[in-house]
Amino acid sequence: SQQGEEDPQALSIQEGENATMNCSYKTSINNLQWYRQNSGRGLVHLILIRSNEREKHSGRLRVTLDTSKKSSSLLITASRAADTASYFCAYTGKLIFGQGTTLQVKP
Amino acid sequence: NAGVTQTPKFQVLKTGQSMTLQCAQDMNHNSMYWYRQDPGMGLRLIYYSASEGTTDKGEVPNGYNVSRLNKREFSLRLESAAPSQTSVYFCASSLQTGTIGTEAFFGQGTRLTVV
Repeated sequence: SQQGEEDPQALSIQEGENATMNCSYKTSINNLQWYRQNSGRGLVHLILIRSNEREKHSGRLRVTLDTSKKSSSLLITASRAADTASYFCAYTGKLIFGQGTTLQVKP
Repeated sequence: NAGVTQTPKFQVLKTGQSMTLQCAQDMNHNSMYWYRQDPGMGLRLIYYSASEGTTDKGEVPNGYNVSRLNKREFSLRLESAAPSQTSVYFCASSLQTGTIGTEAFFGQGTRLTVV
């Protein structure tokens, strides 16, 4: 399987704390994307980072990419209860998804 | 703007029955995808279509067929449903895939139960 791994599988934090989740992949990539899924609904795109970029920011989101280690991380700063969701990385031209991290933010 | 529309939203099939899941997008996207999502497994790619007239296998294509009917529509067919195909199916589209991939937009999913 080309499916990558995300770490941790589940994360529980208090509102206001930062949340970090990691994605490792197996193939060479052109870009890597992060998505959020609320309660089994359709996924929503968060951010895209290209293989020649090392870091990218979007609001409270910070994504890093290390192609030598085949890994990426997503940092959500100052988390809110509304951030409670599952987060997935996706990569390659075929858009292969990792297994996801379930984030719970407690009020 | 409707985005990506999937029909039906829910379906119960008996083992051996066939059905087609429909997907349509109104964003003039070139690439379309079908995924299945099982508990704890994330999304697994079944088939994708990089552009109109082309389709390719994904990670788990066995038991499925697809048709890229035109640029807007991409259907997924189960010829003889099995209980192992009980899952939530998502359709997605993106402007393009491959070397210069772009963000994908997802439908709301079809919850399929095979009994």
